[in-house]
Formats: sequence, C-alpha cells, structure tokens
Amino acid sequence: DAGVIQSPRHEVTEMGQEVTLRCKPISGHDYLFWYRQTMMRGLELLIYFNNNVPIDDSGMPEDRFSAKMPNASFSTLKIQPSEPRDSAVYFCASSLSQGGRATEAFFGQGTRLTVV
Amino acid sequence: GDSVTQMEGPVTLSEEAFLTINCTYTATGYPSLFWYVQYPGEGLQLLLKATKADDKGSNKGFEATYRKETTSFHLEKGSVQVSDSAVYFCALKGSSSASKIIFGSGTRLSIRP
Repeated sequence: DAGVIQSPRHEVTEMGQEVTLRCKPISGHDYLFWYRQTMMRGLELLIYFNNNVPIDDSGMPEDRFSAKMPNASFSTLKIQPSEPRDSAVYFCASSLSQGGRATEAFFGQGTRLTVV
Repeated sequence: GDSVTQMEGPVTLSEEAFLTINCTYTATGYPSLFWYVQYPGEGLQLLLKATKADDKGSNKGFEATYRKETTSFHLEKGSVQVSDSAVYFCALKGSSSASKIIFGSGTRLSIRP
C-alpha cells in the first residue's frame, strides 16, 4: 500500500487567498484525522472523521477552517481566507477500527503551508 | 479529559548511551498507548504500542511497558545510535469508540557520534 498520500507537499500563498489541502487515506481505513504542527503549539488535532462523518471538530481554530470527506478515499482541509499565523505543517492520518475502536494512526508526509 | 505528559527536551546523548524518555498519562478506563517517531521533514511513524496493562511494546531496540499503577509508558533503549536522532511523541487512544488519539508535546533527541 502507498500509505497516506497528501498533496501538495509544499504550499506558499499570499494572505487572504484560499488554500486547499488534500488527503487520500489508506484504502480500507475508516478513521481520518487532520493535525497541525507548529513549533509553538506542537501537534494539534483539528478534526477527525469516522466512515466519512465528522466526529469531533472542536480543534478547528475558527470558521476560516473547514474540512470535508466526500467519500472514503478523499478528504480536504480548506482555509479561507488564509492568514500568516496559519503557517504550519498539516498532517493527515488514517486508522482502521477494531471492535469499533480506532487503532494506531498512519501519517502522511504532511503539507508545509507558508502564508506570506 | 485525557492527556499525555512527556519529558521536555531536547535530550542530547552520546552514541551507545542508555536512553529513557518519560511519559505519563491521564485517562479513564483502559487506553491504548503509543510511541511515534518523527524524522526531519517526515510525518510521524508508529514506533511501538501497547494496548493493555503490563504489555511491553518493542521495535528497533526500543521498549516501553504499559504501567497502569504509575500511569506511565516510558521509552527506553539500551544503546542509542546517531540514526535515532529524531523527535519522539508519546500518545494515547482512549477506550471509548469515539476517542481521538492524543499526543504529547514531543521530545527532541540528538545523538552525538
């Protein structure tokens, strides 16, 4: 399996622009997580899905952030409008449930976002 | 709520030294516990895990034992190598079906030749 695939690997955008990050989870996994990593705040869980349904979005910083999972093999994280403080590495991860519980998460290589 | 506290870094050791990175947790019920490793420019990779009390996870010479009595999951390695230089994250997954995976703040490890 190719693992979790994220695109793009790097994104540089100007403040105010819309940014869309993409993720393809491991085939057959039913949990999908979006994390943000910064030096100041470490690794933060933004939102996660189970069977394409958002379960907990309490980590989404504000209304400028939105995430969707239209099918089991694709998810997006959108920031509109983007701000310099959104600069971070964004990770997508997926996992497979056993007995209804998610097991360990497998991470993509991340998207490094820079907002200037 | 559930939380993970791990040793502040950075930790710098000489090659072949003994490594311990402390991790303690707070959770209700019986969480699963994990150590992840992040090499520069990469995503997190699962290093080892333990799903119940007294389980020992091990991989690549690293070990950690799930201690419920002390709510700990300390990472150890008997002889570190330069290639072990990375950031290490302790994490837990709560016992309910809707639980999310919670990560500690990470510990940066540097090994001197």
